[in-house]
Amino acid sequence: QLQLQESGPGLVKPSETLSLTCTVSGGSMSRSDYYWGWIRQPPGKGLEWIGSIFFGGSVYYTPSLKSRVTISVDTSKAQFSLRLSSLTAADTAVYYCATEMTSTNAFHTWGQGTLVSVSS
Amino acid sequence: QSVLTQPPSASGTPGQRVTISCSGSSSNIGNNAVNWYQHLPGTAPKLLIYSNDQRPSGVPDRFSGSKSGTSASLAISGLQSEDEADYYCAAWADSLNGQVFGGGTKLTVL
Repeated sequence: QLQLQESGPGLVKPSETLSLTCTVSGGSMSRSDYYWGWIRQPPGKGLEWIGSIFFGGSVYYTPSLKSRVTISVDTSKAQFSLRLSSLTAADTAVYYCATEMTSTNAFHTWGQGTLVSVSS
Repeated sequence: QSVLTQPPSASGTPGQRVTISCSGSSSNIGNNAVNWYQHLPGTAPKLLIYSNDQRPSGVPDRFSGSKSGTSASLAISGLQSEDEADYYCAAWADSLNGQVFGGGTKLTVL
């Protein structure tokens, strides 16, 4: 059974770039039935999809963040990563990584989430 | 403001049946599968319903989903105290070429 675990800094300064990594265990990332996705939840707000990547490298992002987001995958390390640039306080959120079923776009397995605060 | 519209709150007493609605448009719900998630504070969201009405393994049959046109619904029967959580619908949005979530519904078990 797949397990996902996010890692990265808990505190980042405004204008800097956030880098988060999701480590996958319990199965291969090189599979055609899953995308690998990132979702976030700002304090007191709802869930927001950030973007998803296929193991072969094809990637898609939510339009509102597209200019600041990069998602990459390294199957040899069983990891995929999120980079979000030009941070502001509005990027403060719990960030989740998850598997996304290619057939239904459902997020099936989630990491526990990591809180990222943007503050000087 | 979310592309998919959910009521901000819902409530029921133990044993009751409650429904949560999710309203969208032809470019999202009307043309794509709807998925539902349960989110308890401090935990990871959990997939509850996928592809409109399918339950993942381990999800009780008290939870059911349906879709009609540009709207979808989540029904919870035999309400239990542990069902108190936030519930989110989600779907692919053709116009955005990406996924969208509803704003979430906070379910209170009275």
